[in-house]
Amino acid sequence: EVQLVESGGGLVQPGRSLRLSCAASGFTFDDYAMHWVRQAPGKGLEWVSGISWNSGSIGYADSVKGRFTISRDNAKNSLYLQMNSLRAEDTALYYCAKVSSVIAVAGQFDYWGQGTLVTVSS
Amino acid sequence: DIQMTQSPSSLSASVGDRVTITCRASQGISNYLAWYQQKPGKVPKLLIYAASTLQSGVPSRFSGSGSGTDFTLTISSLQPEDVATYYCQKYNSAPLSLTFGGGTKVEIK
Repeated sequence: EVQLVESGGGLVQPGRSLRLSCAASGFTFDDYAMHWVRQAPGKGLEWVSGISWNSGSIGYADSVKGRFTISRDNAKNSLYLQMNSLRAEDTALYYCAKVSSVIAVAGQFDYWGQGTLVTVSS
Repeated sequence: DIQMTQSPSSLSASVGDRVTITCRASQGISNYLAWYQQKPGKVPKLLIYAASTLQSGVPSRFSGSGSGTDFTLTISSLQPEDVATYYCQKYNSAPLSLTFGGGTKVEIK
């Protein structure tokens, strides 16, 4: 059974940093690209960042470019999101999601985690 | 960057009605489009990918069509369990950018 479990969320002051993790199991992690998607309270889905299976291709939404860094450790079956210079508008539930197709860096997401909540407030 | 515009933003229909949601891309995206269903308090669920391919396990009353810039999600006979917000998502890899539409909230009249 595929499982994606996010952690690392919490309350943080504006300008500070936070690192999210996503622990994957139930599939061959290093065959698949992984992505982060967020959802602000009462709002829609926003793609944040994605990384290919071998970390060779990485992309970011304009809203986080230069502040967030995605990475992965295939030996640990884990995905990460380093979030720096956090702003109030980064407050959201952060999901990690798995691309459906082997090797493809972009594609539909067939599995999602339950999300970890990040609240940026003083 | 390619923008994805969904319409309507919300709709109310009766059980058994045919419901159509539209998603328009600001530039052509071939068929690199997926549809998701998100019920209140739940994680998004993949319904359709490659514009018209039904994900395994999804009821056949859901269908997708379109290519290029204009896409539709159709629910042929709306059921109470279909109350949810529906999102389209484009996925192209060069550059890597997977944008969601703004969502369409579907309610029962």
